[in-house]
Amino acid sequence: GQQLNQSPQSMFIQEGEDVSMNCTSSSIFNTWLWYKQDPGEGPVLLIALYKAGELTSNGRLTAQFGITRKDSFLNISASIPSDVGIYFCAGQANAGNNRKLIWGLGTSLAVNP
Amino acid sequence: GAVVSQHPSWVICKSGTSVKIECRSLDFQATTMFWYRQFPKQSLMLMATSNEGSKATYEQGVEKDKFLINHASLTLSTLTVTSAHPEDSSFYICSAIGGTSGNTQYFGPGTRLTVL
Repeated sequence: GQQLNQSPQSMFIQEGEDVSMNCTSSSIFNTWLWYKQDPGEGPVLLIALYKAGELTSNGRLTAQFGITRKDSFLNISASIPSDVGIYFCAGQANAGNNRKLIWGLGTSLAVNP
Repeated sequence: GAVVSQHPSWVICKSGTSVKIECRSLDFQATTMFWYRQFPKQSLMLMATSNEGSKATYEQGVEKDKFLINHASLTLSTLTVTSAHPEDSSFYICSAIGGTSGNTQYFGPGTRLTVL
């Protein structure tokens, strides 16, 4: 099935550094979502974006819905060890009754204390 | 709000047996639930979409007779893996939409299935 292009695939950073990851799509989405998944657990919603150009923050996290509606980025500022995990982007077309999510392949983040 | 639970959190079974996994929305009514499968170091793969009171819609390549889905109430959906085989070993995760969550999917904690 369709998947989003998410990059980078993995990151290894020092505590305190800022992190940036992004997702691109060949098709337009009406909703962009960013999730974090810890090992052995389900994804947890971090930020939901509903409008092109929207910039939303959640604590140290900031995400933007691209103007073209084909991309989104997530920034994490001043990373801490508990930021470790896999971050997934997901897009939703919301066309008619189609509420399926299209997923990126994930960005694995490791933080060196 | 928007809490989704799954039971069991992990299960080990013998090849050929059937396993039932429950997904519950604890504080909202889930009009739609989704079932995913996730293999190690991979993204989530949608298996089926389940609307309360109607038959589930399966993704291409997912056998509906092997993965039985029942969404009998607005707070409960079940996935039964019938005649499980080792290749069915995976992490199964459900998500739910409904109530004030709009179209945003909230996920359960997942169920680790190991088939011996």
